[in-house]
Amino acid sequence: QKEVEQDPGPLSVPEGAIVSLNCTYSNSAFQYFMWYRQYSRKGPELLMYTYSSGNKEDGRFTAQVDKSSKYISLFIRDSQPSDSATYLCATRSGNTPLVFGKGTRLSVIA
Amino acid sequence: GAVVSQHPSWVICKSGTSVKIECRSLDFQATTMFWYRQFPKQSLMLMATSNEGSKATYEQGVEKDKFLINHASLTLSTLTVTSAHPEDSSFYICSSSPGGGPEQYFGPGTRLTVT
Repeated sequence: QKEVEQDPGPLSVPEGAIVSLNCTYSNSAFQYFMWYRQYSRKGPELLMYTYSSGNKEDGRFTAQVDKSSKYISLFIRDSQPSDSATYLCATRSGNTPLVFGKGTRLSVIA
Repeated sequence: GAVVSQHPSWVICKSGTSVKIECRSLDFQATTMFWYRQFPKQSLMLMATSNEGSKATYEQGVEKDKFLINHASLTLSTLTVTSAHPEDSSFYICSSSPGGGPEQYFGPGTRLTVT
């Protein structure tokens, strides 16, 4: 079993929809959880960072971590065509390197 | 967020030559830098972890004599692809964490094409 599982999609939604992106992980030692957005031929951009379980909101983006079920979510409200990108979940414990999911390709159709 | 830059953004080289890619932290000191490669439509694959002033730690399967990493200062790490071959063509990305914290920031990436 991979340490972080993420459905690669692609996921296509109409503009204005609520998008739900998810990952599961297997290592209970993971304590830091991140979501990155990557546009084609660009480096990943850190969107959200959470520590341990809970919710975090930033504008149209909400990150959720449920450590009891080892489940990570990113919600995008009022999705825009400019949100079309690949979204990568990532996690780590302590100072260890990030462990990434495969990334979900999202298309928001105008 | 913190800013990481890379140079060049795109390089084409002939098979057998060497290419150097620079990674700089612009607004923080980077004790540790990570180097990744990414093939089209795939996730990032960690190649090595470099610590300022010491030898890099390479992931299993990554040839350290082919991918030379130098981290001589707190703001600069370099990756040199030696004797490049077409199969080395990929997207190379570096990252680092300000203050060694958990948040990791990535550079814009370098696209290497070996002909």
